[in-house]
Amino acid sequence: EPEVTQTPSHQVTQMGQEVILRCVPISNHLYFYWYRQILGQKVEFLVSFYNNEISEKSEIFDDQFSVERPDGSNFTLKIRSTKLEDSAMYFCASSNLHLGAEAFFGQGTRLTVV
Amino acid sequence: DAKTTQPPSMDCAEGRAANLPCNHSTISGNEYVYWYRQIHSQGPQYIIHGLKNNETNEMASLIITEDRKSSTLILPHATLRDTAVYYCIVRVDGTYKYIFGTGTRLKVLA
Repeated sequence: EPEVTQTPSHQVTQMGQEVILRCVPISNHLYFYWYRQILGQKVEFLVSFYNNEISEKSEIFDDQFSVERPDGSNFTLKIRSTKLEDSAMYFCASSNLHLGAEAFFGQGTRLTVV
Repeated sequence: DAKTTQPPSMDCAEGRAANLPCNHSTISGNEYVYWYRQIHSQGPQYIIHGLKNNETNEMASLIITEDRKSSTLILPHATLRDTAVYYCIVRVDGTYKYIFGTGTRLKVLA
């Protein structure tokens, strides 16, 4: 069964460093997303991406964040200068375009900023 | 804010049906209802979704009321592995993002 894969599963970084979280969406999907979940809190939408551009973004997704689809298979989330409060699980998801299409989530990357 | 309301927690005996309710009284005509679950801190797992009609797949059934203001997810024979947080989500018409609420924490008891 096709699945969304994310790497690494756990990333530890020092405050102020840049991190790149990687995702391989399901191959025939065209819509891509990043969500995050701070420990013990809700899953929060960050950004959606279609046709090589951002479709929607939340207030969380400020100038420190960027997304990219560098090739035909990968979808990345970059955090330029990490803060302690960026520590969270980051989930990538993908979906088809048709009305009502469900999204499938990866298993997440646990980002720990120290 | 999430457009759905769910009870914070429920218990269910192993082998029995788990019926998880969800209210979405402000749902509009083109908005689908989606159910996901999250086990520990794993990625949300898709279960089922529907628009108007009841739906069934290998995991669960989804019953949507005729006025579409509420729905029920049914796990027909709950197992211990179904212990998770279950999210009912109505995706806002015209967007592709999900707004997650706090969900229902289902505990399946042996």
